[in-house]
Amino acid sequence: DGGITQSPKYLFRKEGQNVTLSCEQNLNHDAMYWYRQDPGQGLRLIYYSQIVNDFQKGDIAEGYSVSREKKESFPLTVTSAQKNPTAFYLCASRGLLGNEQFFGPGTRLTVL
Amino acid sequence: SQKIEQNSEALNIQEGKTATLTCNYTNYSPAYLQWYRQDPGRGPVFLLLIRENEKEKRKERLKVTFDTTLKQSLFHITASQPADSATYLCAVGGYQKVTFGTGTKLQVIP
Repeated sequence: DGGITQSPKYLFRKEGQNVTLSCEQNLNHDAMYWYRQDPGQGLRLIYYSQIVNDFQKGDIAEGYSVSREKKESFPLTVTSAQKNPTAFYLCASRGLLGNEQFFGPGTRLTVL
Repeated sequence: SQKIEQNSEALNIQEGKTATLTCNYTNYSPAYLQWYRQDPGRGPVFLLLIRENEKEKRKERLKVTFDTTLKQSLFHITASQPADSATYLCAVGGYQKVTFGTGTKLQVIP
């Protein structure tokens, strides 16, 4: 059963704490992406990675960090420097045949 | 940077009618344009991709057009069903990354 998994589905964090969101794919895709979605706004790109051990900042990278040590995994850390971290976070990978993106189920992060 | 405009107002239509959603982009013409469906609390699901040299693409009850002169794409769902109710996102881009619109919420009324 191929796809993208994200965990956890819901995450609560106290202000000032770092938290890491998991993203795993078994689709054998090279490129992976992290987006943030807020009510009334489109998906905004946080970070993306075209290949293992390489990643680039997206449009709103401040306060976030990523790593890409394995092809299957692209975890996102939301640091305490992120001023407004409460949001719905989506991980995606890019398909092999075209440029379509395959999304995970998302993680809803709430900062208390 | 590229800006995508989708009608932020919800679209309500009767079951069986054709729903038409609009996506306008500014600036440069993208290499391709995509449409996704998103249900509440879930990740978007890819529906269709149309390239800049294609005028129209169809998949079952879905049809997408791409007018690079108008900088616009239209997304049609024929014989709409209540199960088609969702938010539909337009996205444009090149090879490495895409820019998403805010989406249009479609409600199909039985």
